[in-house]
Amino acid sequence: AQSVTQLDSQVPVFEEAPVELRCNYSSSVSVYLFWYVQYPNQGLQLLLKYLSGSTLVKGINGFEAEFNKSQTSFHLRKPSVHISDTAEYFCAVSVIVYGGATNKLIFGTGTLLAVQP
Amino acid sequence: GAVVSQHPSRVICKSGTSVKIECRSLDFQATTMFWYRQFPKQSLMLMATSNEGSKATYEQGVEKDKFLINHASLTLSTLTVTSAHPEDSSFYICSARDPRDHTGELFFGEGSRLTVL
Repeated sequence: AQSVTQLDSQVPVFEEAPVELRCNYSSSVSVYLFWYVQYPNQGLQLLLKYLSGSTLVKGINGFEAEFNKSQTSFHLRKPSVHISDTAEYFCAVSVIVYGGATNKLIFGTGTLLAVQP
Repeated sequence: GAVVSQHPSRVICKSGTSVKIECRSLDFQATTMFWYRQFPKQSLMLMATSNEGSKATYEQGVEKDKFLINHASLTLSTLTVTSAHPEDSSFYICSARDPRDHTGELFFGEGSRLTVL
């Protein structure tokens, strides 16, 4: 079975400081990896996704993530955060099944990024 | 990208009444939609997978008679919370998969906050 672990439930950081949100996954088969952001009282919006190829993936709003197969990690980073980045961030995986299709998306428990002035 | 719209965004109802939430895919046909429930400061819990033209697949522990799901067309899935009680108060989010996309990416609605008095 697959699982996603986000060890940090909350990450406080000052504005303009760098941030890293950690994500580790467990799977015996190949996966696609995603980061979603959720602003208060809203649905989820895709930040970025890793499918294949370059392990460094760039997303929207200046975020990027690096896929590390040996460490089964997909940490999210931003070199300089803004107040507006305050939100809940979810890491997710989907399993690649036969024929390239996928089954359901499995989410981590989320990390609240709290940017302080 | 694909757009999913959810309605209503907020609903308040009396205990014992039923509430219907709609989820529409606006620019693609979704054979599969997913309904999630989110408790405050927690991750998304998959409730059920809605399949167009057939019965929904419910996750373990989710009451089928309590949460009725109908996917009558390729662009509309509905979730009806029957005989709602205060413990059903929650944030419900739908999502859909674009069949042209095999990565497993989900496109989310804006969410519906249900408050049962």
